Parts: sequence; structure tokens; C-alpha cells
Amino acid sequence: DAGITQSPRHKVTETGTPVTLRCHQTENHRYMYWYRQDPGHGLRLIHYSYGVKDTDKGEVSDGYSVSRSKTEDFLLTLESATSSQTSVYFCAISGPDRDRMNTEAFFGQGTRLTVV
Amino acid sequence: AQSVSQHNHHVILSEAASLELGCNYSYGGTVNLFWYVQYPGQHLQLLLKYFSGDPLVKGIKGFEAEFIKSKFSFNLRKPSVQWSDTAEYFCAVNPNFGNEKLTFGTGTRLTIIP
Repeated sequence: DAGITQSPRHKVTETGTPVTLRCHQTENHRYMYWYRQDPGHGLRLIHYSYGVKDTDKGEVSDGYSVSRSKTEDFLLTLESATSSQTSVYFCAISGPDRDRMNTEAFFGQGTRLTVV
Repeated sequence: AQSVSQHNHHVILSEAASLELGCNYSYGGTVNLFWYVQYPGQHLQLLLKYFSGDPLVKGIKGFEAEFIKSKFSFNLRKPSVQWSDTAEYFCAVNPNFGNEKLTFGTGTRLTIIP
């Protein structure tokens, strides 16, 4: 498995509190992604990063912010958690390779977040 | 922006049956195509990928997929499924170059009955 670690793996938090999820990679991959997975919706992209301090919104970015201050870490923050953000969150990383072609993504183990 | 459609939401098969899961994408340029599998309680793992060359690609565990450019399709097949293939399957696409992200379909849940 690629060197990608998510923390925490499980979290229960109260509505209105801030939450930060961390994704750490040891592969020096350029791209990092945060997805959420919900039944019936598959994986939906929240935010992604194409380099240090370079980030962009995905399809479900409202209520989330991200930061990438160094290559290996990509943080996802819920500024004020809501029950609709209860989900499983996956981090992923990908190339490109030496020819600057995009490559497959490798996924972390996931973080199960429950907002009560 | 690209999009991916998986029309089969839940497929139920008996062991030894043949499998085909549909995947269609929309994107105007050259793409990379992937199938990922997620076993219950686990993260996504790459099943197979297509970057270029032979449009029939073989992956792990006896799976294969065929890229038909004219139909914008990348269907997943397996001639004889096993109970252990019970999982969720995701088709995904990203452009060959550039800063574009990987886009997933909504997934197909496959249940194999012993």
C-alpha cells in the first residue's frame, strides 16, 4: 500500500464545533484529494490540491476548507460541523509521473466522522 | 469538466455467473480510466487501469475491462464471479495531462450469492 495515513480514524463531535482531519503521505505525490463517501452518492470530491498552497474546490466544498503548507500534509477543516457532514472521509494521492501524465490514485483508510 | 455514469446501482449474481458492469464517461480529451473496488469496511483499491495501448486491460483477480472510445465506455467484466467478489465497484476517470482531478461514478454494489 502507498504511504498514506489519515488521522483520526474515527471521531464523534458535536454540532457547531470545528473539526480538522489530517492526511499525511510519504510518497511525494503532487496531487492530494479529500472525498466524502455516502450511501447512494459514491465518492464526491470536496477539495483537492495540485501543489503546496495550491488548492481548488470540488463538487461539495461548502462548509469545508483545506490547507496544504507542505507536500506531505493535506488538512481538511469543518469550520462548524453539521449533522449533514456525518460521513466517511477518504484522502487520496496521485502523481503525475516523470512524463507529467496523471496516474492512478491511492487511498487512505478513511475517517468515520459522526456529528451529533 | 468530466463526468462518469454507472447505471447499475446494485447487481446480484450467483457464484459462477458472468459479470459486466457498465461505465460511461464524458470528456472531450484523452483520458485515463480506472476501476476501483471497495470491500466491506475497507478503503478503495485499484482493480485495473487504462492509460493507452491495448483497449482490453486485465486487472487483478480475473477482472478485465474494455475501453471503447467511440462509445465513451469502459465496462468491467469477469467471466465467473466468486462470493469473495462481493464489494462496491467504482469507475473513475481523469484527463491524461493537466491539473484535473479524478472523477468517480456513484458506484455499483455487487452481491454474490453462494
